[in-house]
Amino acid sequence: LAKTTQPISMDSYEGQEVNITCSHNNIATNDYITWYQQFPSQGPRFIIQGYKTKVTNEVASLFIPADRKSSTLSLPRVSLSDTAVYYCLVGATDNAGNMLTFGGGTRLMVKP
Amino acid sequence: DGGITQSPKYLFRKEGQNVTLSCEQNLNHDAMYWYRQDPGQGLRLIYYSQIVNDFQKGDIAEGYSVSREKKESFPLTVTSAQKNPTAFYLCASTPLGTGLVGTEAFFGQGTRLTVV
Repeated sequence: LAKTTQPISMDSYEGQEVNITCSHNNIATNDYITWYQQFPSQGPRFIIQGYKTKVTNEVASLFIPADRKSSTLSLPRVSLSDTAVYYCLVGATDNAGNMLTFGGGTRLMVKP
Repeated sequence: DGGITQSPKYLFRKEGQNVTLSCEQNLNHDAMYWYRQDPGQGLRLIYYSQIVNDFQKGDIAEGYSVSREKKESFPLTVTSAQKNPTAFYLCASTPLGTGLVGTEAFFGQGTRLTVV
């Protein structure tokens, strides 16, 4: 599975747009890119998933350049409640079956 | 409502005891996973299972055991061989054959295990 690299932490202020970039230089052809959000003492929850170009939903946007070696999660106009850890996952069904491998994530702190 | 349920929410264990954490899902998902999370850290995969009566070790399987006798249930036993079991444990599920492709993983609310 492709290894991912994210910043350990980021700070922002309410109302700002936040962009979190994930590097995945050895992404494979069949790999998708998925982002999860985790609040303290809770399980992660799915935010967005994409394969190439841009994907947008009611929560976030995901930008993926043509070479797919990185991706950027964009959170518009963050609020205090967006303070959480954000995980980038890259992969697909491997030869052994399904695996979900999480890295350390990016800890986002939104300040008033 | 469909979902994935972990129990108990909090669990205390004496040193040398085995304890079993429950994970049940009614999403009709084939694949289930167990993760361990230490304070301030990411999730580490303990075991995963794609189908009934089959499971594979993840990155940190030593000191843990699992069973998958039913599609909807994937209990995790923390054995006395696990030297540092105090952690937050998370269970997840996904449909088979997709993994990260075109779908999302659903997580339980976690079990916080403390050794006393």
